[in-house]
Amino acid sequence: DTEVTQTPKHLVMGMTNKKSLKCEQHMGHRAMYWYKQKAKKPPELMFVYSYEKLSINESVPSRFSPECPNSSLLNLHLHALQPEDSALYLCASSHQFYGQGADEKLFFGSGTQLSVL
Amino acid sequence: DQQVKQNSPSLSVQEGRISILNCDYTNSMFDYFLWYKKYPAEGPTFLISISSIKDKNEDGRFTVFLNKSAKHLSLHIVPSQPGDSAVYFCAARPIQGAQKLVFGQGTRLTINP
Repeated sequence: DTEVTQTPKHLVMGMTNKKSLKCEQHMGHRAMYWYKQKAKKPPELMFVYSYEKLSINESVPSRFSPECPNSSLLNLHLHALQPEDSALYLCASSHQFYGQGADEKLFFGSGTQLSVL
Repeated sequence: DQQVKQNSPSLSVQEGRISILNCDYTNSMFDYFLWYKKYPAEGPTFLISISSIKDKNEDGRFTVFLNKSAKHLSLHIVPSQPGDSAVYFCAARPIQGAQKLVFGQGTRLTINP
């Protein structure tokens, strides 16, 4: 199983709504990531969890709240979003082998296409 | 400050010919490089990677070349097939801050029959 599963695939929400994006992997990966991608732009890193602890927050606004309940699951809680937050939200995972020359590739899910009205 | 650059936004290649996608980087601390392929509204799919201790890695029709002195890498696809039409992202990882993967802007490859 080399899949990262994201739900839902599409989400439309108002600026006052609270919603959550979910991500799951069963590859035994110990690092999980949230990326945001706008149209015709590269993915931008938002958060990294390493061994279920938040290790990187790329100065993301607090209206985005990540959560890692266990080593297989990653959530992104959304509250009071703005229309400019509309984007494709990508989850990824990796083994977390580091050191020079280490083979460390990210596996991405298909993403959640989020529209904020 | 764009640390990973793909200067060609698009590339059009005849089916059966070679596709060459280029990527330049500025950070000498990058030690691991990856190429991803992406279709619209889908997540990037890993294609091939190369460590800084190598200068070439091959996987089937895909070969990645790394020139560390020029801070340049390229992806060769031979022969190109219609299913290769997609956006290709180059990505790089620094030794320090190893969890941060930095992506280039992407190159849209179109394979013409």
